Amino acid sequence: QQPVQSPQAVILREGEDAVINCSSSKALYSVHWYRQKHGEAPVFLMILLKGGEQKGHDKISASFNEKKQQSSLYLTASQLSYSGTYFCGTGSSGATNKLIFGTGTLLAVQP
Amino acid sequence: DTEVTQTPKHLVMGMTNKKSLKCEQHMGHRAMYWYKQKAKKPPELMFVYSYEKLSINESVPSRFSPECPNSSLLNLHLHALQPEDSALYLCASSQLRLVRTKGETEAFFGQGTRLTVV
Repeated sequence: QQPVQSPQAVILREGEDAVINCSSSKALYSVHWYRQKHGEAPVFLMILLKGGEQKGHDKISASFNEKKQQSSLYLTASQLSYSGTYFCGTGSSGATNKLIFGTGTLLAVQP
Repeated sequence: DTEVTQTPKHLVMGMTNKKSLKCEQHMGHRAMYWYKQKAKKPPELMFVYSYEKLSINESVPSRFSPECPNSSLLNLHLHALQPEDSALYLCASSQLRLVRTKGETEAFFGQGTRLTVV
Protein backbone atom coordinates (compact mmCIF):
# COMPACT_ATOMS: atom_id res chain seq x y z
CA GLN A 1 0.00 0.00 0.00
CA GLN A 2 1.26 3.42 -0.97
CA PRO A 3 2.61 5.73 1.76
CA VAL A 4 0.85 9.09 2.05
CA GLN A 5 2.86 12.29 2.06
CA SER A 6 1.95 15.71 3.35
CA PRO A 7 1.77 18.43 2.32
CA GLN A 8 0.98 17.74 -1.34
CA ALA A 9 2.73 20.95 -2.36
CA VAL A 10 4.64 23.75 -0.70
CA ILE A 11 6.05 27.05 -1.92
CA LEU A 12 9.01 28.56 -0.11
CA ARG A 13 11.21 31.59 -0.37
CA GLU A 14 14.95 30.97 -0.45
CA GLY A 15 16.25 30.52 3.07
CA GLU A 16 12.99 29.23 4.55
CA ASP A 17 12.59 25.80 6.12
CA ALA A 18 10.19 23.01 5.21
CA VAL A 19 9.08 19.66 6.60
CA ILE A 20 7.69 16.85 4.47
CA ASN A 21 5.93 13.97 6.18
CA CYS A 22 5.51 10.38 5.06
CA SER A 23 3.03 8.06 6.70
CA SER A 24 2.37 4.38 6.10
CA SER A 25 -0.51 2.13 7.09
CA LYS A 26 1.85 -0.85 7.01
CA ALA A 27 4.85 -1.50 9.22
CA LEU A 28 7.88 0.26 7.84
CA TYR A 29 11.06 -1.72 7.44
CA SER A 30 13.04 1.17 6.02
CA VAL A 31 12.39 4.56 4.48
CA HIS A 32 14.05 5.97 1.40
CA TRP A 33 13.88 9.59 0.28
CA TYR A 34 14.26 10.68 -3.35
CA ARG A 35 13.99 13.99 -5.17
CA GLN A 36 12.84 14.22 -8.78
CA LYS A 37 13.22 17.37 -10.82
CA HIS A 38 10.88 17.93 -13.74
CA GLY A 39 11.77 15.71 -16.67
CA GLU A 40 14.58 13.99 -14.78
CA ALA A 41 15.15 10.71 -12.97
CA PRO A 42 14.55 10.40 -9.23
CA VAL A 43 17.76 11.00 -7.29
CA PHE A 44 18.54 9.29 -4.01
CA LEU A 45 18.78 11.47 -0.88
CA MET A 46 19.02 9.03 2.04
CA ILE A 47 17.86 5.78 3.63
CA LEU A 48 16.76 5.31 7.22
CA LEU A 49 16.95 1.73 8.35
CA LYS A 50 15.53 1.62 11.81
CA GLY A 51 13.26 3.45 14.13
CA GLY A 52 14.69 6.49 15.79
CA GLU A 53 17.34 6.87 13.16
CA GLN A 54 18.14 10.31 11.94
CA LYS A 55 20.34 11.18 9.05
CA GLY A 56 21.37 14.28 7.26
CA HIS A 57 23.81 15.84 4.96
CA ASP A 58 24.23 19.46 4.12
CA LYS A 59 20.94 21.06 5.14
CA ILE A 60 18.62 18.14 4.45
CA SER A 61 17.91 15.68 7.23
CA ALA A 62 15.32 13.04 8.02
CA SER A 63 13.91 11.09 10.92
CA PHE A 64 12.14 7.75 11.14
CA ASN A 65 9.58 6.90 13.83
CA GLU A 66 9.09 3.15 13.51
CA LYS A 67 6.29 2.97 16.06
CA LYS A 68 4.23 5.64 14.36
CA GLN A 69 5.17 4.28 10.92
CA GLN A 70 6.20 7.77 9.90
CA SER A 71 9.19 9.57 8.51
CA SER A 72 9.86 13.26 8.09
CA LEU A 73 12.25 15.10 5.78
CA TYR A 74 13.60 18.44 6.97
CA LEU A 75 14.93 21.04 4.57
CA THR A 76 16.73 23.88 6.27
CA ALA A 77 17.56 27.24 4.70
CA SER A 78 16.18 26.10 1.37
CA GLN A 79 17.99 26.84 -1.86
CA LEU A 80 16.63 27.19 -5.38
CA SER A 81 18.19 23.82 -6.19
CA TYR A 82 15.90 22.13 -3.67
CA SER A 83 12.91 22.59 -5.97
CA GLY A 84 11.39 19.37 -7.23
CA THR A 85 9.07 16.58 -6.16
CA TYR A 86 10.07 14.65 -3.08
CA PHE A 87 9.11 11.03 -2.67
CA CYS A 88 9.46 8.79 0.30
CA GLY A 89 9.78 5.11 -0.46
CA THR A 90 9.13 2.13 1.75
CA GLY A 91 11.47 -0.79 1.56
CA SER A 92 10.59 -4.42 2.09
CA SER A 93 12.04 -6.83 4.58
CA GLY A 94 12.63 -9.48 1.96
CA ALA A 95 15.73 -10.21 0.01
CA THR A 96 14.80 -7.81 -2.73
CA ASN A 97 14.43 -4.08 -2.58
CA LYS A 98 10.72 -3.70 -3.31
CA LEU A 99 10.63 0.07 -3.23
CA ILE A 100 7.13 1.56 -3.17
CA PHE A 101 6.97 5.32 -3.56
CA GLY A 102 4.75 7.65 -1.57
CA THR A 103 2.26 10.09 -3.08
CA GLY A 104 4.87 12.83 -3.48
CA THR A 105 5.33 16.44 -2.35
CA LEU A 106 5.98 19.20 -4.85
CA LEU A 107 8.40 21.78 -3.45
CA ALA A 108 8.96 25.10 -5.19
CA VAL A 109 11.64 27.44 -3.88
CA GLN A 110 11.38 31.00 -5.13
CA PRO A 111 14.05 33.74 -5.01
CA ASP B 1 30.23 4.73 -13.47
CA THR B 2 26.94 5.21 -11.62
CA GLU B 3 24.78 5.50 -14.68
CA VAL B 4 21.72 3.65 -15.76
CA THR B 5 21.20 4.18 -19.47
CA GLN B 6 17.81 3.86 -21.09
CA THR B 7 17.02 3.85 -24.78
CA PRO B 8 15.21 5.23 -26.57
CA LYS B 9 14.50 8.51 -24.75
CA HIS B 10 11.23 8.98 -26.62
CA LEU B 11 9.01 6.46 -28.37
CA VAL B 12 5.74 6.84 -30.26
CA MET B 13 4.00 3.63 -31.19
CA GLY B 14 0.71 2.52 -32.60
CA MET B 15 -1.59 0.13 -30.77
CA THR B 16 -0.67 -2.72 -33.10
CA ASN B 17 3.09 -2.19 -32.95
CA LYS B 18 5.71 -4.22 -31.12
CA LYS B 19 8.56 -2.29 -29.60
CA SER B 20 11.17 -2.75 -26.88
CA LEU B 21 12.68 -0.51 -24.23
CA LYS B 22 16.25 -1.11 -23.21
CA CYS B 23 18.09 -0.47 -19.96
CA GLU B 24 21.78 -0.97 -19.21
CA GLN B 25 23.95 -0.62 -16.12
CA HIS B 26 27.58 -1.47 -15.42
CA MET B 27 27.66 -1.05 -11.66
CA GLY B 28 27.52 -4.78 -10.95
CA HIS B 29 24.02 -4.46 -9.54
CA ARG B 30 22.07 -7.72 -9.38
CA ALA B 31 18.63 -6.17 -8.88
CA MET B 32 16.91 -4.31 -11.70
CA TYR B 33 13.50 -2.70 -11.85
CA TRP B 34 10.89 -1.30 -14.17
CA TYR B 35 8.68 1.54 -13.00
CA LYS B 36 5.86 3.35 -14.79
CA GLN B 37 5.26 7.03 -14.03
CA LYS B 38 2.27 9.07 -15.16
CA ALA B 39 2.42 12.85 -15.08
CA LYS B 40 2.39 14.33 -11.56
CA LYS B 41 2.23 10.85 -10.01
CA PRO B 42 4.82 8.76 -8.19
CA PRO B 43 6.65 5.97 -10.00
CA GLU B 44 4.70 2.69 -9.82
CA LEU B 45 6.64 -0.52 -9.52
CA MET B 46 6.05 -2.97 -12.37
CA PHE B 47 8.75 -5.65 -12.23
CA VAL B 48 11.80 -6.60 -10.19
CA TYR B 49 14.59 -8.89 -11.37
CA SER B 50 17.02 -10.46 -8.93
CA TYR B 51 20.01 -12.35 -10.28
CA GLU B 52 18.45 -12.18 -13.74
CA LYS B 53 15.29 -13.92 -12.56
CA LEU B 54 11.90 -12.28 -12.32
CA SER B 55 11.17 -11.97 -8.60
CA ILE B 56 8.27 -9.52 -8.53
CA ASN B 57 5.47 -8.86 -11.03
CA GLU B 58 3.05 -6.28 -9.69
CA SER B 59 0.09 -7.71 -11.63
CA VAL B 60 1.20 -6.01 -14.82
CA PRO B 61 -0.84 -6.79 -17.98
CA SER B 62 0.76 -9.34 -20.30
CA ARG B 63 1.14 -6.75 -23.06
CA PHE B 64 4.24 -5.74 -21.07
CA SER B 65 6.88 -8.48 -21.15
CA PRO B 66 10.16 -8.00 -19.28
CA GLU B 67 13.39 -9.77 -20.07
CA CYS B 68 16.78 -9.80 -18.38
CA PRO B 69 19.26 -11.41 -20.81
CA ASN B 70 22.27 -10.79 -18.54
CA SER B 71 23.23 -8.99 -15.36
CA SER B 72 23.75 -5.67 -17.14
CA LEU B 73 20.71 -5.53 -19.40
CA LEU B 74 17.01 -5.24 -18.86
CA ASN B 75 14.43 -5.06 -21.62
CA LEU B 76 10.73 -4.32 -21.64
CA HIS B 77 8.90 -5.69 -24.66
CA LEU B 78 5.71 -3.89 -25.60
CA HIS B 79 2.88 -5.29 -27.68
CA ALA B 80 -0.69 -4.19 -28.36
CA LEU B 81 -0.52 -1.29 -25.94
CA GLN B 82 -3.38 1.07 -25.18
CA PRO B 83 -3.29 4.88 -25.15
CA GLU B 84 -3.56 4.81 -21.35
CA ASP B 85 -0.18 3.05 -21.28
CA SER B 86 1.43 6.31 -22.35
CA ALA B 87 3.80 7.29 -19.57
CA LEU B 88 7.43 7.67 -18.55
CA TYR B 89 9.02 4.24 -18.07
CA LEU B 90 11.88 4.25 -15.62
CA CYS B 91 14.50 1.60 -15.15
CA ALA B 92 16.47 1.32 -11.93
CA SER B 93 19.14 -0.89 -10.46
CA SER B 94 20.55 -1.55 -7.03
CA GLN B 95 22.77 -3.90 -5.14
CA LEU B 96 21.00 -6.94 -3.81
CA ARG B 97 21.70 -7.75 -0.20
CA LEU B 98 20.03 -10.41 1.85
CA VAL B 99 18.29 -9.36 5.02
CA ARG B 100 20.71 -11.22 7.25
CA THR B 101 23.64 -9.19 6.02
CA LYS B 102 21.74 -5.99 6.72
CA GLY B 103 21.52 -2.89 4.75
CA GLU B 104 19.33 -1.83 1.96
CA THR B 105 20.91 0.28 -0.68
CA GLU B 106 19.86 3.08 -2.91
CA ALA B 107 18.34 2.55 -6.30
CA PHE B 108 19.89 4.31 -9.29
CA PHE B 109 17.41 5.45 -11.89
CA GLY B 110 17.78 5.98 -15.60
CA GLN B 111 16.38 9.08 -17.30
CA GLY B 112 13.44 7.11 -18.58
CA THR B 113 11.71 6.47 -21.89
CA ARG B 114 8.76 8.72 -22.59
CA LEU B 115 6.26 6.47 -24.35
CA THR B 116 3.27 7.71 -26.32
CA VAL B 117 0.76 5.19 -27.64
CA VAL B 118 -1.39 6.49 -30.49
